[in-house]
Amino acid sequence: EAQVTQNPRYLITVTGKKLTVTCSQNMNHEYMSWYRQDPGLGLRQIYYSMNVEVTDKGDVPEGYKVSRKEKRNFPLILESPSPNQTSLYFCASRLGYTEAFFGQGTRLTVV
Amino acid sequence: RKEVEQDPGPFNVPEGATVAFNCTYSNSASQSFFWYRQDCRKEPKLLMSVYSSGNEDGRFTAQLNRASQYISLLIRDSKLSDSATYLCVVSRSGGSYIPTFGRGTSLIVHP
Repeated sequence: EAQVTQNPRYLITVTGKKLTVTCSQNMNHEYMSWYRQDPGLGLRQIYYSMNVEVTDKGDVPEGYKVSRKEKRNFPLILESPSPNQTSLYFCASRLGYTEAFFGQGTRLTVV
Repeated sequence: RKEVEQDPGPFNVPEGATVAFNCTYSNSASQSFFWYRQDCRKEPKLLMSVYSSGNEDGRFTAQLNRASQYISLLIRDSKLSDSATYLCVVSRSGGSYIPTFGRGTSLIVHP
């Protein structure tokens, strides 16, 4: 089954404690991206990757890092999380000109 | 002016009704257009692409008006299961086709 898998689904952490949200897709898609979704603001792109070792900033990259060492995986790293990064995060992979597959989301709370 | 704007609603309609949503975009160089559906606390799912000639998928019809820079989604014979948030997505060109999501329009279909 074609899918994008994110882990964890829920995470509560403390300010400053580094964390990684994993994302994996099994469709051999070249393009992957990360979004955050906040009430009233909609989905905003954090980072995207057009292929292995090729990443670029989206609209809201501050406070986040990503890596793309292999095609299937695209982890999102928060080196020093802050409360304003409390949000719902989605990983997505693309076939064609738009995100065809989204992961189930990671609800992150930073206290 | 926001890059992609949608009326947040909610649109509250009875079963069987016809409902239409509009979405305006500001970048005249936008290349690709899509509608997504998002259920509460779930990941967005691609509903349909929007083509210049207009396109239909069952009860759903999408149209693009480049001159006025808007896209529309028409849902006929609404079902209870159509209740969701509908996201308009516009992709700009530049090699990476970066998508911009609207904030979504909420639809509630009641018996």
